[in-house]
Amino acid sequence: GQQVMQIPQYQHVQEGEDFTTYCNSSTTLSNIQWYKQRPGGHPVFLIQLVKSGEVKKQKRLTFQFGEAKKNSSLHITATQTTDVGTYFCAGYTGNQFYFGTGTSLTVIP
Amino acid sequence: GAVVSQHPSWVICKSGTSVKIECRSLDFQATTMFWYRQFPKQSLMLMATSNEGSKATYEQGVEKDKFLINHASLTLSTLTVTSAHPEDSSFYICSARDLESYGYTFGSGTRLTVV
Repeated sequence: GQQVMQIPQYQHVQEGEDFTTYCNSSTTLSNIQWYKQRPGGHPVFLIQLVKSGEVKKQKRLTFQFGEAKKNSSLHITATQTTDVGTYFCAGYTGNQFYFGTGTSLTVIP
Repeated sequence: GAVVSQHPSWVICKSGTSVKIECRSLDFQATTMFWYRQFPKQSLMLMATSNEGSKATYEQGVEKDKFLINHASLTLSTLTVTSAHPEDSSFYICSARDLESYGYTFGSGTRLTVV
């Protein structure tokens, strides 16, 4: 069945260091979305990528969609303590979104 | 932006009782809403797609008689966990598609504990 995997599952970084999470799908995706979920909170939509090879930036966050539209990445430059949370990708196959397994980010002050 | 309101935020119930969770779209109409379940430190698992005016579509492995979904209006979908058992304890969350951003707007979630 359809699977969307994310690595790493957990990441601890020192404040100021960079962070990257990778999302891989077993099948080609129509588009991919990224969400952030703070501890105890609900997922909040960050961005959607549609085109092959697309790169979008939101301040310190850079999102990339692979050429084959089967993988994506989220890169955070110079992490801050406010970046703490779990980052999920959600890949759309044309029928529904499949959420990735998530990457839990801890930022050490 | 689109806002989805979910109630209650948390509920504790006894084994064998039923619990109803409401999900409302506050400033837009949602012909489709989605219900997810999330176990601690795990990803969101789609349980069912709620369609206004018609039967919900359940994912494989989800018992439709146990998780009753009703989408009676364009702004309200409800999930009723019937005859709840401790293994039903989880975080349940609904979402609707925001047609402006194309992202899913999530409710704040309901933490259900069955004792």
